[in-house]
Amino acid sequence: QQQVRQSPQSLTVWEGETAILNCSYENSAFDYFPWYQQFPGEGPALLIAIRSVSDKKEDGRFTIFFNKREKKLSLHITDSQPGDSATYFCAAGGGSNYKLTFGKGTLLTVTP
Amino acid sequence: AQTIHQWPVAEIKAVGSPLSLGCTIKGKSSPNLYWYWQATGGTLQQLFYSITVGQVESVVQLNLSASRPKDDQFILSTEKLLLSHSGFYLCAWSLIRDWGYEQYFGPGTRLTVL
Repeated sequence: QQQVRQSPQSLTVWEGETAILNCSYENSAFDYFPWYQQFPGEGPALLIAIRSVSDKKEDGRFTIFFNKREKKLSLHITDSQPGDSATYFCAAGGGSNYKLTFGKGTLLTVTP
Repeated sequence: AQTIHQWPVAEIKAVGSPLSLGCTIKGKSSPNLYWYWQATGGTLQQLFYSITVGQVESVVQLNLSASRPKDDQFILSTEKLLLSHSGFYLCAWSLIRDWGYEQYFGPGTRLTVL
């Protein structure tokens, strides 16, 4: 049973466009949702995160939109750059639970 | 600033051989530490976590074990490797917030079992 789902599996956008990466979850106990960016051969880097008490979190060109009722969230990357080409993982965690559950990732390619 | 170091960077091992991977974190006292496994092109699976020296909790059984011999050190090991152990092993530490835990990953160890 996959508790965190991501779509699309891969996405290609032109430089300067907005990339939209989607994530959904099943467990209502999840209340913390980080997004990680991973380049080939490297460990994932925490990019941006949101708590379920918020519906939007912005950090520069990266914005998370969160819909608690539908158990969905999305990561918007505006003015996409070739350097943003990477795999993006949505994860979910809950309260004092030490466990993070990851989605399968979205491979983003930004074409110059 | 906190730094996390994993060793070795990469390993090629034979099926049935033993394995020991290490992780050290500097600049953070008494961190929560985690081991993850990632298949090539796959998602991240949490294997173990530890909140203090000598204490390790297993999340997923993959014929691996973990130990925390020092406050800043986390070890992943097995006596007998399987082909299915191949992949990318990541150590992480977490920053405790009042609402939960932010996890930060190390550079990883690439393991190939032949």
